[in-house]
Order: sequence, then C-alpha cells, then structure tokens
Amino acid sequence: GNSVTQMEGPVTLSEEAFLTINCTYTATGYPSLFWYVQYPGEGLQLLLKATKADDKGSNKGFEATYRKETTSFHLEKGSVQVSDSAVYFCASTGNQFYFGTGTSLTVIP
Amino acid sequence: NAGVTQTPKFQVLKTGQSMTLQCAQDMNHEYMSWYRQDPGMGLRLIHYSVGAGITDQGEVPNGYNVSRSTTEDFPLRLLSAAPSQTSVYFCASSYQTRGTGELFFGEGSRLTVL
Repeated sequence: GNSVTQMEGPVTLSEEAFLTINCTYTATGYPSLFWYVQYPGEGLQLLLKATKADDKGSNKGFEATYRKETTSFHLEKGSVQVSDSAVYFCASTGNQFYFGTGTSLTVIP
Repeated sequence: NAGVTQTPKFQVLKTGQSMTLQCAQDMNHEYMSWYRQDPGMGLRLIHYSVGAGITDQGEVPNGYNVSRSTTEDFPLRLLSAAPSQTSVYFCASSYQTRGTGELFFGEGSRLTVL
C-alpha cells in the first residue's frame, strides 16, 4: 500500500545553515506530494506541493522536487532562520492522505 | 474566511466519560478526516469521509465513532474515554483525495483523559 517515510529528527541547525529533510514514498499510480509545516501550538499548514514528476514546489525559500525515479521528495532550504523552527511533515495522496512521522527542526542563532 | 473550525480547543475528561469533538468546514469539501497526533508518532488517521453519508475507518479507529450527515460537519465521538486517548486531535478537509487536492487543517483540540 501507500506510505511515506521521512528522515527522523530532531534536527538542530545554526542560523544560515543548509537544510535537507529526506522523504521517500511508495504508491500505486502517481500521487501528489506535499510538505506541511506545524509551528508550535498550531495546526498543520501547507508549505509546498508538486503534482507530477519533475515538478518543483517552492515557498518561503523552501524547495522540493518530485523525483519519480527515486520516489523521493526531499525538502531543502539554502539558509535557515530561527523562524523556520517547526515540525515538517511529508505527505502523499492516494485513497487517503499519507503522512510521514514528522521531522522536528530547531534553528539556533 | 473560517476554513476548518474545531471545537473545543481544550478539554479534560475523566475515564469513562463521553464527549464529541466538533468539526465544521465552509469550503464545500467532500473529503473530511480526523487525525490524532502523539509525540513520536506523527499523525495517525482515525476516521475519514468522502461525502455525506459515507464514513470509513483509518489506522486507529477503536474507541471513536463518526457520522457525516451534512457536507459541512464531521463530529468525532468518544463514547467512553480512556487515558490512551489523551492526544491532540486535528480535523482536516479537502476537495479531493486524489490528484492535486491538499488538506486544510483545523487548529487542533487538545484532549486530556484522567
């Protein structure tokens, strides 16, 4: 069945460091792929999405490319800020929505 | 611009009590769902619905009931609360599950069962 596997956390980075959070998926067909972000005490909100192979989603300096050949959708940001501290979830569509377990990111000044 | 509204935001129950978490959306979404979020476990799907009158079980349905009498509302019922149901609950909706549909989340309901 469908599933999403993402990098275990927590991740701690210094401000302006490069961020990568790995995400791979298994699916029948061609799912849409998403990254959601959850700031402390809040619900999840969509960060970016990609709907077909080779699409690149981007928002707020974050990027992720839909790689069908490696079934991956890794999240990257070139220079993280303290305000990026949050939990990040990778997700895919199918009969339901499938979420990874989340990766907690802390950015220190 | 309400989106997905959940009530209550916080609730404390005693073991064995019952309660209903309310969820309403004003986006005319067919798909609605309930998740629970626990430390180290990520999001786990409890129940979902693909339209009025249709519900189905997710990954962790035991101890929870749902109904979908209207497109807008999808309440989650705990008939006899247990400490293992202490969690943060999120309601989410989408105009579709396949294709490009994205999930819209409520702000969450924090439930403590003593």
